[in-house]
Amino acid sequence: NAGVTQTPKFQVLKTGQSMTLQCAQDMNHEYMSWYRQDPGMGLRLIHYSVGAGITDQGEVPNGYNVSRSTTEDFPLRLLSAAPSQTSVYFCASSYADRAAGYTFGSGTRLTVV
Amino acid sequence: AQTVTQSQPEMSVQEAETVTLSCTYDTSENNYYLFWYKQPPSRQMILVIRQEAYKQQNATENRFSVNFQKAAKSFSLKISDSQLGDTAMYFCAFTRREYGNKLVFGAGTILRVKS
Repeated sequence: NAGVTQTPKFQVLKTGQSMTLQCAQDMNHEYMSWYRQDPGMGLRLIHYSVGAGITDQGEVPNGYNVSRSTTEDFPLRLLSAAPSQTSVYFCASSYADRAAGYTFGSGTRLTVV
Repeated sequence: AQTVTQSQPEMSVQEAETVTLSCTYDTSENNYYLFWYKQPPSRQMILVIRQEAYKQQNATENRFSVNFQKAAKSFSLKISDSQLGDTAMYFCAFTRREYGNKLVFGAGTILRVKS
């Protein structure tokens, strides 16, 4: 059971570079989300999706793009990396039943220099 | 907007003892869900326990139980017979009954279990 797979686990970017964080789940979950974790702030929602072709913004969407062409994949794109985007990023997925809770990937530690 | 507050940035407990982590939340909703997630040094987010607001009975999962006080908007986590493997960051999280299952997290409590 792979669950939620995130790649890469670590990444260092220079300011202005772009990159894509990959996320895939094999549980046929309808909902997928991206969160960022910063010290003292818990996890904050960046973007989320309720199904293929449907995405929406979360609490901190600026500087990030997402798309969801399949149920399984939900990549997060950083268009022009900034030091403020240094963080740990988590992808998560769940069934539409809210009581089930989210399953999280193992996270990506991103450093922008 | 919904908010979740964890007032204890750090806590410690002796092995085999009991510890309670606090969480309060603010919402005008009547139907929602609450969760506790554990994040060990490995960074993995692990669901510990969940509570549905319309259920009055407190949830229990082995050594983990909650004290859910809906009127007070309080959702504390009790860990009994603490083990060294319980050392982790613990996050309280809330989601209301809405489109997208959006989780709102507290800032977290670091729990250290001492031998």
